[in-house]
Amino acid sequence: DAGVTQSPTHLIKTRGQHVTLRCSPISGHKSVSWYQQVLGQGPQFIFQYYEKEERGRGNFPDRFSARQFPNYSSELNVNALLLGDSALYLCASSMGQGDTEAFFGQGTRLTVV
Amino acid sequence: SQQGEEDPQALSIQEGENATMNCSYKTSINNLQWYRQNSGRGLVHLILIRSNEREKHSGRLRVTLDTSKKSSSLLITASRAADTASYFCATDEPGGSYIPTFGRGTSLIVHP
Repeated sequence: DAGVTQSPTHLIKTRGQHVTLRCSPISGHKSVSWYQQVLGQGPQFIFQYYEKEERGRGNFPDRFSARQFPNYSSELNVNALLLGDSALYLCASSMGQGDTEAFFGQGTRLTVV
Repeated sequence: SQQGEEDPQALSIQEGENATMNCSYKTSINNLQWYRQNSGRGLVHLILIRSNEREKHSGRLRVTLDTSKKSSSLLITASRAADTASYFCATDEPGGSYIPTFGRGTSLIVHP
């Protein structure tokens, strides 16, 4: 079985631009969560989606948005990019909500210049 | 929201030695999990310990949980150079969606 896949692996964007990051969960997993990890810090929770509905949102500005599709894949969108948005963006999938293990993808390294 | 805090921030040991990392948290938890991250890539789940458990083992890993002290420890025995990585604890709160909250991690370097 394929693990959690994220695309692209790296990208460089300019301040003010928009970016879309994609995540495909493990087959059978219905929950996807997004995290931002700045260098030297732990992952910070951005969003959780379960069955295509937002079930949790972290302390991030409205420039950050996400959605989950009927096949349970997900997109994270960030508008009006700032230099401070440069980070590793991680996607994690799990079978459902509640007491389940999360499996992480390898992440997308975003650099804003 | 609460956040686990790992201690020490960095640990450097020789191959064959044991490595111990600690995690403290602030409020009651449902579960506590330990993850490993190599070179800033994806996190790998190591072990989950529930709030009603005190100790769990997985291969060379031993995790303890003391809910009265709101702390957990991860012990890696007979460390190997391949254990070099960052280690994070993650907690989630009872009654809500499972959204693990991560600390800043312990950077472990194992010298061959």
